[in-house]
Amino acid sequence: ETGVTQTPRHLVMGMTNKKSLKCEQHLGHNAMYWYKQSAKKPLELMFVYNFKEQTENNSVPSRFSPECPNSSHLFLHLHTLQPEDSALYLCASSQDEGSGANVLTFGAGSRLTVL
Amino acid sequence: GQNIDQPTEMTATEGAIVQINCTYQTSGFNGLFWYQQHAGEAPTFLSYNVLDGLEEKGRFSSFLSRSKGYSYLLLKELQMKDSASYLCAVRDNDYKLSFGAGTTVTVRA
Repeated sequence: ETGVTQTPRHLVMGMTNKKSLKCEQHLGHNAMYWYKQSAKKPLELMFVYNFKEQTENNSVPSRFSPECPNSSHLFLHLHTLQPEDSALYLCASSQDEGSGANVLTFGAGSRLTVL
Repeated sequence: GQNIDQPTEMTATEGAIVQINCTYQTSGFNGLFWYQQHAGEAPTFLSYNVLDGLEEKGRFSSFLSRSKGYSYLLLKELQMKDSASYLCAVRDNDYKLSFGAGTTVTVRA
């Protein structure tokens, strides 16, 4: 348990479904991140929120929609996904995006399979 | 764009030493990180280098040479539990973190 909790851990969905991934941290961090991890590929940064404001959208398709209602919670809403979106989606948090070493604390990830 | 290279796989024997190299070409430099990720688990922070030289933390050490765009992670006295993926990540001048694809280390008895 790292202090960052992601649910669900596994999700299977069809291309026409709508689902959401949830991330929660109670570390007192102010920055939260979504990363995509595909086999044998580098982690891809998707979105960053710093003090609840979105500071990064790394050219992510609109079928992925983030939401950050407060500094402790981050959602990733999914709709009309493609099979190539199947991957491990990692949430992370840090003290503040622009501060010092800014070490990320990751959750264990949500394994998404799109059929 | 950012370019971070590290070997895909390495195998070593229990009790031995393994060195995982990472080279990078990024738009500016503001720190280099190493993370460990066991299969099915969250990546966890191992080390941070922002100045040249060696940082030692128990059995693990990390080295940085900014002029060469080069780092390595040294794992000493390998244990079976060290079998994992090791991720090199570099932060640029905009404080954006870019990751390498990871090095899978397998420790054999």
